[in-house]
Amino acid sequence: LAKTTQPISMDSYEGQEVNITCSHNNIATNDYITWYQQFPSQGPRFIIQGYKTKVTNEVASLFIPADRKSSTLSLPRVSLSDTAVYYCLVGEKVNNDMRFGAGTRLTVKP
Amino acid sequence: GAVVSQHPSRVICKSGTSVKIECRSLDFQATTMFWYRQFPKQSLMLMATSNEGSKATYEQGVEKDKFLINHASLTLSTLTVTSAHPEDSSFYICSAREDGLAADTQYFGPGTRLTVL
Repeated sequence: LAKTTQPISMDSYEGQEVNITCSHNNIATNDYITWYQQFPSQGPRFIIQGYKTKVTNEVASLFIPADRKSSTLSLPRVSLSDTAVYYCLVGEKVNNDMRFGAGTRLTVKP
Repeated sequence: GAVVSQHPSRVICKSGTSVKIECRSLDFQATTMFWYRQFPKQSLMLMATSNEGSKATYEQGVEKDKFLINHASLTLSTLTVTSAHPEDSSFYICSAREDGLAADTQYFGPGTRLTVL
């Protein structure tokens, strides 16, 4: 079971870059790392996924070091609408072991 | 692409009644779907893993006779909360994992708010 650990909360200001790190020391060889964003009373929304090194899409970047024991979600130039809870999920597809950690509550201030 | 729907989005029922929640993958096939429950200010709690054509796998502490799961097709899974009580009031979220991908990407539905009076 690849348990994840994230900071409980983070504060930022509009226009800043935000980096949220997730620790997953027990990650298995075949596990991918996926980040989700959740607003109140909504289902989580897929942000980005990676296996190793760096992945970038139109909304975020994901940095994964060579040992894959952690990952960092980078949100460039956040806005007030990025205030949400962010979860990293490291799942075992074979065993269907999908458990969410506590997530990081990001608050973006004006 | 990769859209998951849930129905209903909100339901209020009397104690003792049963409530069925549907989860559909609209544009992809999903042999595996997951059901989560989320209480206010808390993370998602995995309740069960739903597999098309076979019995669901329940997490420890989740009563399989109370939370009936049926995954009759590659695009539909249902969760029935039987004899609901106020303590079952929660936000129920499903997710579907797209078949054929190496990665274990889950796509989530919008959630169903259940209130038991």
